[in-house]
Amino acid sequence: DGGITQSPKYLFRKEGQNVTLSCEQNLNHDAMYWYRQDPGQGLRLIYYSQIVNDFQKGDIAEGYSVSREKKESFPLTVTSAQKNPTAFYLCASIREAGRQDTQYFGPGTRLTVL
Amino acid sequence: QKEVEQDPGPLSVPEGAIVSLNCTYSNSAFQYFMWYRQYSRKGPELLMYTYSSGNKEDGRFTAQVDKSSKYISLFIRDSQPSDSATYLCAMSYNNAGNMLTFGGGTRLMVKP
Repeated sequence: DGGITQSPKYLFRKEGQNVTLSCEQNLNHDAMYWYRQDPGQGLRLIYYSQIVNDFQKGDIAEGYSVSREKKESFPLTVTSAQKNPTAFYLCASIREAGRQDTQYFGPGTRLTVL
Repeated sequence: QKEVEQDPGPLSVPEGAIVSLNCTYSNSAFQYFMWYRQYSRKGPELLMYTYSSGNKEDGRFTAQVDKSSKYISLFIRDSQPSDSATYLCAMSYNNAGNMLTFGGGTRLMVKP
């Protein structure tokens, strides 16, 4: 089955720690995205990558970092610089950025800072 | 003011009712409009995707876009308890994929 997987489903972090959220897709999609979702708010774009070895900041990139070494993988690191990291994190992908297609989402990772 | 506004609800309706979900937006440059359904603790799934103004129907779902009023709607006919979820509208400028701007979502509850 083709799809987007995110792991772990739930993640707990102590203050001051960096954590990495995994996102993998086997859809052969070119572009991948990371969003953050807070209660009652829409999705906000953290980072996106249209091709391997290239990525761009979204609206709320501060305190986050990403890499795109492989087409199928786009991990997100939440650093200690992110002051309010507790949220639901969603990864998405699209077949080819710039075409008339739309984004498909993974199941999400819920991050809680203790 | 947010670029895309959506009543957070919750909206509670009886089973079988017609549901109307709406979003307003401020930027007339938006051309592509999407509706996503999100069950609790899950990722959003695409329901409807429309380009520019007009209607699009898919089964019990109808998406409507009125660009002159900067207003989009999603209608659900014969609503079912399984339709209980949060509905997110999303829109973009020059294609349906990149740089989506989302509404905050409306929580819908369909009661048996």
